Amino acid sequence: QLQLQESGPGLVKPSETLSLTCTVSGGYISSTSYYWGWIRQTPGKGLEWIGSIYYTGSTYYNSSLKSRVAISVDTSRNQFSLKVISMTAADTAVYYCARHPTVTQAWGYMDVWGRGTTVTVSS
Amino acid sequence: DIQMTQSPPSLSASVGDRVTITCRASQGVGSSLAWYQQKPGKVPELLIYAASTLRSGVPSRFSGSGSGADFTLTIGSLQPEDVATYYCQKYGIVPFTFGPGTKVDIK
Repeated sequence: QLQLQESGPGLVKPSETLSLTCTVSGGYISSTSYYWGWIRQTPGKGLEWIGSIYYTGSTYYNSSLKSRVAISVDTSRNQFSLKVISMTAADTAVYYCARHPTVTQAWGYMDVWGRGTTVTVSS
Repeated sequence: DIQMTQSPPSLSASVGDRVTITCRASQGVGSSLAWYQQKPGKVPELLIYAASTLRSGVPSRFSGSGSGADFTLTIGSLQPEDVATYYCQKYGIVPFTFGPGTKVDIK
């Protein structure tokens, strides 16, 4: 059974860079049938899609965050990663990684989610 | 960007009631609409995709309908385990956006 697990720091200082990794187990990140994405959730803004990546490295980002976000993939480690620069208190959230099936022409829904990791931005 | 709205923001219903949640997109999204259930303290879980396709393993009391800009999630007979917040999400063209959620509890 496919599982996703986020890892990274729970506390980040303002202006610093957040780095999170999602490890995929029970399946291969290099499958042609899936994209892999990051989503965050805050009490104020709800669920927000951050961006997604294909195993080839092709990326899509939310324009609201695009200038501060980078997503990368490491197929040898079956992992994909998120970097967010210039973190502020507004970036405090639960960050999830998830899988997007591409079995239909329109992709973007998430059928498997990680457990989520809470990131707090504070000095 | 396409914005998603949901109504009502919250509802309280009795066990066995039929519950309907509405999701509206600011522009048409075809059938590229998914519904998620998030129980308190848990991770969102996919219920429905392509507006009306029930994910394998999801109870048949859940159903989705609609296309274009107006969509509906129906719980045919509300059960205690259905207490959760329900989100719609449009996909297909980035950015993928979620509705603000509808919180469902038991009266």
